[in-house]
Amino acid sequence: SQQGEEDPQALSIQEGENATMNCSYKTSINNLQWYRQNSGRGLVHLILIRSNEREKHSGRLRVTLDTSKKSSSLLITASRAADTASYFCASRAMIYNQGGKLIFGQGTELSVKP
Amino acid sequence: EPEVTQTPSHQVTQMGQEVILRCVPISNHLYFYWYRQILGQKVEFLVSFYNNEISEKSEIFDDQFSVERPDGSNFTLKIRSTKLEDSAMYFCASSVAGQYFGPGTRLTVT
Repeated sequence: SQQGEEDPQALSIQEGENATMNCSYKTSINNLQWYRQNSGRGLVHLILIRSNEREKHSGRLRVTLDTSKKSSSLLITASRAADTASYFCASRAMIYNQGGKLIFGQGTELSVKP
Repeated sequence: EPEVTQTPSHQVTQMGQEVILRCVPISNHLYFYWYRQILGQKVEFLVSFYNNEISEKSEIFDDQFSVERPDGSNFTLKIRSTKLEDSAMYFCASSVAGQYFGPGTRLTVT
């Protein structure tokens, strides 16, 4: 799989349910970031997890990172219709002499039905 | 809360024309980036910029592209001679740790 592959590609749930999205990456990372994008709009930064962290919370968001499996997951609890968007993970490689580019996955399209 | 801003929000240009996309990064950020997203595809890295010089660029960022920080606040991406395949959403980002993206400029080349 390519760097920053998300799984599933599309997810449809009912309001109030939890949504889990997974991401895999290839190279060693400095950090991994999750973004939300509403259709045709900009990328909203959700959360950053560093390579030495295993779990991080922000409101209804919970992100885990497993560097041994080169994977991360984003959990949105008690989903709302307003959470409907595409969600991307983006990994920053562990290369200190470069500009810290992010490598994005294809994204998971989340649809939350009221 | 500070934000990255981009202008214009939408630019339509004819093939072969030059375009300049403008960005104002968050004021205390030191690293600046351009990415693009072709419709329906993933976000792709173009270039990173630090200390007034390019620190990394992708294969997409060929001689037709250039970046500049003309003053203390603006960060620009210039495409010298646009092609149809340059049509995309262009995002500017800035960072200290996490990268914060602007709302994007939709470039349409006809």
